[in-house]
Amino acid sequence: EPEVTQTPSHQVTQMGQEVILRCVPISNHLYFYWYRQILGQKVEFLVSFYNNEISEKSEIFDDQFSVERPDGSNFTLKIRSTKLEDSAMYFCASSDSSGGTDTQYFGPGTRLTVL
Amino acid sequence: QKEVEQDPGPLSVPEGAIVSLNCTYSNSAFQYFMWYRQYSRKGPELLMYTYSSGNKEDGRFTAQVDKSSKYISLFIRDSQPSDSATYLCAMTHNAGNMLTFGGGTRLMVKP
Repeated sequence: EPEVTQTPSHQVTQMGQEVILRCVPISNHLYFYWYRQILGQKVEFLVSFYNNEISEKSEIFDDQFSVERPDGSNFTLKIRSTKLEDSAMYFCASSDSSGGTDTQYFGPGTRLTVL
Repeated sequence: QKEVEQDPGPLSVPEGAIVSLNCTYSNSAFQYFMWYRQYSRKGPELLMYTYSSGNKEDGRFTAQVDKSSKYISLFIRDSQPSDSATYLCAMTHNAGNMLTFGGGTRLMVKP
């Protein structure tokens, strides 16, 4: 069964450093998303991406964040200068969303620890 | 008022029990409703997806949507210890849009 994959599973970085989180969405999906979950809190939407551009973003997704689909398979989230409060699980998701349906499939997550 | 509310639990039941998990929401624009299961430190796993009001059944799981009351439910029949996880409700306005999640209900099924 196709699945969303994410690398690395765990990333430790120093405050102020740049990190890039990588995702490979399900191959025939058109919509891509990043969510985060701070330990013990809700899953929160960050950004959605369709047709090579951002379609929606939340207040969390400020200028420190960017997304890119550098090739036909990868989808990345970059945090330019990490803060302590960026420590969280980051989940990539993808969906087909054609025909009016919207089943978003999530990857296993990258645990980001900012020291 | 939070957009999506969900009782955090924990909900502890004996094996074989029927489990009822619920979410309420305030935004009548939500049209698509999902239930995800999340094991500790793992990604959410899609369980059920519904669009219209009414019931949808898949094996031991039944999802129920009442748009007039802004209330959704997930029922688990013949619960198993392997069902022990956090259950997240999620909803969205349109296909391709952001999901808004509830806080999750932690379920423990005891053998």
